[in-house]
Amino acid sequence: GAVVSQHPSRVICKSGTSVKIECRSLDFQATTMFWYRQFPKKSLMLMATSNEGSKATYEQGVEKDKFLINHASLTLSTLTVTSAHPEDSSFYICSAPVGKRLYEQYFGPGTRLTVT
Amino acid sequence: DAKTTQPPSMDCAEGRAANLPCNHSTISGNEYVYWYRQIHSQGPQYIIHGLKNNETNEMASLIITEDRKSSTLILPHATLRDTAVYYCIVSLNDYKLSFGAGTTVTVRA
Repeated sequence: GAVVSQHPSRVICKSGTSVKIECRSLDFQATTMFWYRQFPKKSLMLMATSNEGSKATYEQGVEKDKFLINHASLTLSTLTVTSAHPEDSSFYICSAPVGKRLYEQYFGPGTRLTVT
Repeated sequence: DAKTTQPPSMDCAEGRAANLPCNHSTISGNEYVYWYRQIHSQGPQYIIHGLKNNETNEMASLIITEDRKSSTLILPHATLRDTAVYYCIVSLNDYKLSFGAGTTVTVRA
């Protein structure tokens, strides 16, 4: 089946620094990708929709200037957490639908961000 | 999107069928029922989806009531590797998935 990868899998950064997380579709093209965050023992929360060649669409309450999304190609979307703070520590997961099978999304393995 | 209600947790025995219920009483006519699962510290995995008819694939079966207000995901022969959080999601077929709390399923030997 289709594979979505994320890099890095884990990252620890100091407060005030920025962190970039990559999401790649390895064997298919994705004009749309989704970014979620998940706090411990909580469910996934959709943050934004990443659109290739255009601006991302953010969910209500998500700061677009803090969570920068760039979908530069049909196989890569990046999420940059700017000026990270400890409350940004979370599990960040991306997903992408495969072609016309909109209902079947493939999720990446997630990135564990810890801000100290 | 319509809201779903699932039991917070359930146990099942290895080798037996696991029946996971989901209530979605406010579902609209063009909303689909999706099931995903998330094994600990991994990204979610698509299982199955349906609109009106019952569906079956290599992973599971989905039974949707005639009034579409509830559904049941059936794992025919649960294994230890099926231990996960199972999410029932109701959504229009427009990519966006809204995850609720899900059901934590523990398969016991």
